[in-house]
Amino acid sequence: GQQVMQIPQYQHVQEGEDFTTYCNSSTTLSNIQWYKQRPGGHPVFLIQLVKSGEVKKQKRLTFQFGEAKKNSSLHITATQTTDVGTYFCAARPQAAGNKLTFGGGTRVLVKP
Amino acid sequence: GAGVSQSPRYKVAKRGQDVALRCDPISGHVSLFWYQQALGQGPEFLTYFQNEAQLDKSGLPSDRFFAERPEGSVSTLKIQRTQQEDSAVYLCASSLQGVITGELFFGEGSRLTVL
Repeated sequence: GQQVMQIPQYQHVQEGEDFTTYCNSSTTLSNIQWYKQRPGGHPVFLIQLVKSGEVKKQKRLTFQFGEAKKNSSLHITATQTTDVGTYFCAARPQAAGNKLTFGGGTRVLVKP
Repeated sequence: GAGVSQSPRYKVAKRGQDVALRCDPISGHVSLFWYQQALGQGPEFLTYFQNEAQLDKSGLPSDRFFAERPEGSVSTLKIQRTQQEDSAVYLCASSLQGVITGELFFGEGSRLTVL
């Protein structure tokens, strides 16, 4: 079945630095979503990417969908303590109905 | 309410007991998903409803797991003869659209501990 891999599993970042987390699917996707889950909380939607090569920005967050629609990335600039949490990508394969498969997540810790 | 509501928030069950977890989606949302999230892991898909129709139940781990949404609104996830490996947070999410959903709105989850 479809696999969604995220790397790195853990990210320790100094406050003010940038980092990138990556999401890779074994199959071609119709779209991909990103969610953030704070410690003790539930996943909260950040963005959805649909088009090949699409890039979307939300303040310090930049999301990209790969040209082959099999991978995606999230880049955060000038990391703040409020960025602490786990970032999940959620992938919807083409011709696979509405099933949304989550990756294992990247757990982000910020050192002040 | 304005968001997805799940109950109970916490449930402790003895091995072998049956449990029922309830999800109240956002009013008018067509799609409803159940996910299982083990500690430190990503949410694992269990099942999906479009209105009252259960369109995908490929993620249910065994025939001990059963989900229903009889009137296309509230949904119940039932686990029979609970086992220790069933311990996890069970997340419910709803989405406005039907065929291909957009944003999922998650509830706070029901944390199940099986002793």
